[in-house]
Amino acid sequence: GAVVSQHPSRVICKSGTSVKIECRSLDFQATTMFWYRQFPKKSLMLMATSNEGSKATYEQGVEKDKFLINHASLTLSTLTVTSAHPEDSSFYICSAWGDGGYGYTFGSGTRLTVV
Amino acid sequence: AQKVTQAQTEISVVEKEDVTLDCVYETRDTTYYLFWYKQPPSGELVFLIRRNSFDEQNEISGRYSWNFQKSTSSFNFTITASQVVDSAVYFCAPPQGGGADGLTFGKGTHLIIQP
Repeated sequence: GAVVSQHPSRVICKSGTSVKIECRSLDFQATTMFWYRQFPKKSLMLMATSNEGSKATYEQGVEKDKFLINHASLTLSTLTVTSAHPEDSSFYICSAWGDGGYGYTFGSGTRLTVV
Repeated sequence: AQKVTQAQTEISVVEKEDVTLDCVYETRDTTYYLFWYKQPPSGELVFLIRRNSFDEQNEISGRYSWNFQKSTSSFNFTITASQVVDSAVYFCAPPQGGGADGLTFGKGTHLIIQP
């Protein structure tokens, strides 16, 4: 079946630094990638949608300069949290939409802690 | 955007009991997909089912069953003979628009199965 690999699974960084999260589709081409954020005991909130080779579309209220999304190939999308602050601490999870009827395939998530 | 209501914030049952998780949605689309996902404590999202709005037949997969009532816009999920491993947060989610749009998750129902 379709698999999406997300790394790292956990990361702790210092306030002011940047963190990159990778999401790879291993056995299918992900034409569209979605990035979600989840606060503790809360639902998942869609942050942005990216299509390969295009600029990402951000949801209302999501700072595009804070959360940089790159979708340079059909198998890789990255989310970079720039100048991270403690309030950026959260669970981030990607989802890939691919051709061939796979539908939505989710990565395993990244728990980011900014100290 | 679609709207999803999962009115049950938390449900606690004793192992082997049957439990039903409710999901009510709003949509202006005539055709759409509905999803259920499971999120265990480890955080990853586990795909449970995708249902096309054309198909109103109930579906059963092992101990899991889904009751789709288009007339009442409900897509309820039942676990029979619950097990401790079923303990997780369960999310109902329709697509935001249709096709390869991001998902709008409900607030989720935290299911606790007590031994």
